[in-house]
Amino acid sequence: AQSVTQPDIHITVSEGASLELRCNYSYGATPYLFWYVQSPGQGLQLLLKYFSGDTLVQGIKGFEAEFKRSQSSFNLRKPSVHWSDAAEYFCAVAPTGGGNKLTFGTGTQLKVEL
Amino acid sequence: KAGVTQTPRYLIKTRGQQVTLSCSPISGHRSVSWYQQTPGQGLQFLFEYFSETQRNKGNFPGRFSGRQFSNSRSEMNVSTLELGDSALYLCASSLGGEGAYEQYFGPGTRLTVT
Repeated sequence: AQSVTQPDIHITVSEGASLELRCNYSYGATPYLFWYVQSPGQGLQLLLKYFSGDTLVQGIKGFEAEFKRSQSSFNLRKPSVHWSDAAEYFCAVAPTGGGNKLTFGTGTQLKVEL
Repeated sequence: KAGVTQTPRYLIKTRGQQVTLSCSPISGHRSVSWYQQTPGQGLQFLFEYFSETQRNKGNFPGRFSGRQFSNSRSEMNVSTLELGDSALYLCASSLGGEGAYEQYFGPGTRLTVT
């Protein structure tokens, strides 16, 4: 069965500092990979996705993620964090065999200090 | 293009009752998936419907059921509600079909069971 691990439950960064959120997955092959963000009381917003090809993917709001097959990782990065980035971030995988069953990590709560 | 809409946004029910939640996908999307989000279990996949057929199913009891209509709108039903069913229920839509597609989430329905 596929699984996703987000080892950091909470992360605090200063505004303007760089950010990296970690994500590791377990899957028999290379899955489809996603990062979503959730603000309090809201649904999930898609930040970026990896299906195939270039392992460095760009997303919205200045986020990027790098897929590393050898490490089974898909870490999310942002060079300079803004106070509005404070939210919960979820990494997710979907099987490449078809269908839309997303398996989510437990999430990382990001706090931004001004 | 309008996003995914879910109704109602908030719901309070009593243990033992049943509830029906509704989801309208993005226009042109044929796949609708449902997820349950709780503080203890995180985000869990309930089921996916594509072209009015259940395509994937998560590990939830039979009290949780769903259906999809010819216009791709979907409903999920929970019968004999339990306190543990209190959660945010999220609906997501995608183009579906073969291949890789990202899912777009609605704002969710907050269900409280008393």
